[in-house]
Amino acid sequence: KNEVEQSPQNLTAQEGEFITINCSYSVGISALHWLQQHPGGGIVSLFMLSSGKKKHGRLIATINIQEKHSSLHITASHPRDSAVYICAVGMDSNYQLIWGAGTKLIIKP
Amino acid sequence: DTGVSQDPRHKITKRGQNVTFRCDPISEHNRLYWYRQTLGQGPEFLTYFQNEAQLEKSRLLSDRFSAERPKGSFSTLEIQRTEQGDSAMYLCASSFSAGGLYNEQFFGPGTRLTVL
Repeated sequence: KNEVEQSPQNLTAQEGEFITINCSYSVGISALHWLQQHPGGGIVSLFMLSSGKKKHGRLIATINIQEKHSSLHITASHPRDSAVYICAVGMDSNYQLIWGAGTKLIIKP
Repeated sequence: DTGVSQDPRHKITKRGQNVTFRCDPISEHNRLYWYRQTLGQGPEFLTYFQNEAQLEKSRLLSDRFSAERPKGSFSTLEIQRTEQGDSAMYLCASSFSAGGLYNEQFFGPGTRLTVL
């Protein structure tokens, strides 16, 4: 079992739909990242959170430390949101990030 | 500051050749990380520097791979005798830490290596 699990693996939706991507982890963490990667592109950090909720534009990220679960929401989705969304966790005791496999999101116009 | 930069962005080489990639971190960042991402997979940790010291290496980093950060600023990742299995995106990230706690990593655009 991977230490960081994402669901769904693939998601196709229509423009305007509300999108939710989930991340569950099994280790104690210091922080959780949500990152975005466009096809053939580098990685862009969207959020780093260790508790609660963060919002940036149409993106919302939440984390529940007790349940070891985080969600990334996209409101009013747009085709330009099409990308791979990756969850990764960081720990004090281990400097490297532990990565989920990513969720490939396609938003159709 | 323009963030983390990597050079080259793309590299195509023939099997058996040596390649070297460069990463320039955000200037005040003392930590630098290398990751590898193969097609359809999430990134995998390769190695990590605190200033010029290489503190951790993944078992993925075979003896054909070597990384340096000679002055605690930019870093190079060299792959000797490349194999087709080395084809991947090589990602660099940097962060600032003042005490051992986890800090946010900022990523470069990556170098895509294709070994023919």
